Amino acid sequence: GESVGLHLPTLSVQEGDNSIINCAYSNSASDYFIWYKQESGKGPQFIIDIRSNMDKRQGQRVTVLLNKTVKHLSLQIAATQPGDSAVYFCAENSSGGYQKVTFGIGTKLQVIP
Amino acid sequence: EAQVTQNPRYLITVTGKKLTVTCSQNMNHEYMSWYRQDPGLGLRQIYYSMNVEVTDKGDVPEGYKVSRKEKRNFPLILESPSPNQTSLYFCASSPWQVDQPQHFGDGTRLSIL
Repeated sequence: GESVGLHLPTLSVQEGDNSIINCAYSNSASDYFIWYKQESGKGPQFIIDIRSNMDKRQGQRVTVLLNKTVKHLSLQIAATQPGDSAVYFCAENSSGGYQKVTFGIGTKLQVIP
Repeated sequence: EAQVTQNPRYLITVTGKKLTVTCSQNMNHEYMSWYRQDPGLGLRQIYYSMNVEVTDKGDVPEGYKVSRKEKRNFPLILESPSPNQTSLYFCASSPWQVDQPQHFGDGTRLSIL
């Protein structure tokens, strides 16, 4: 809901520009990373994932970059559209025998028409 | 359509009145999980289940119970709700294998007065 967006870092981007959303993760043992998009009133929705043996993965209009040296993950959205306005958060998964997933707090993306 | 369904979507109730939030998935997923989402704190795991009759505590299990009698259902039970359990709750499911994104329901907003 709307209250999820409060207290979050916010990125404002002009429609048509590229967006870059950053995420720092904490666990060096994490080996699988996911980006989710959460629209107002909805549950998180999977966007793209990347495994630790990769540095970059591309989807449709989205690219995820992984820098294991500094434990940093980024999501790039090309040609940002109004429908991209949402809260985006990263999640890290360490394959310690079960799906232990740690979610970041999130970044609110506002697209200015 | 593959989905995770939660009910109710909204509930206002009073302290101490037992309530159950249902969760059902139609994807034959082994893994199911409950999260709560609070402003500034992100998603925190309450309980998870790796398969039928197998459940375990997440990061914030106090005040909650779960059961997994059938593969498709994973209800969240608040035996004696308190105001600090006012939150937005999400159920999620995924295949057992690691390196799989979770599918989320659309959330249940609980207000405990």
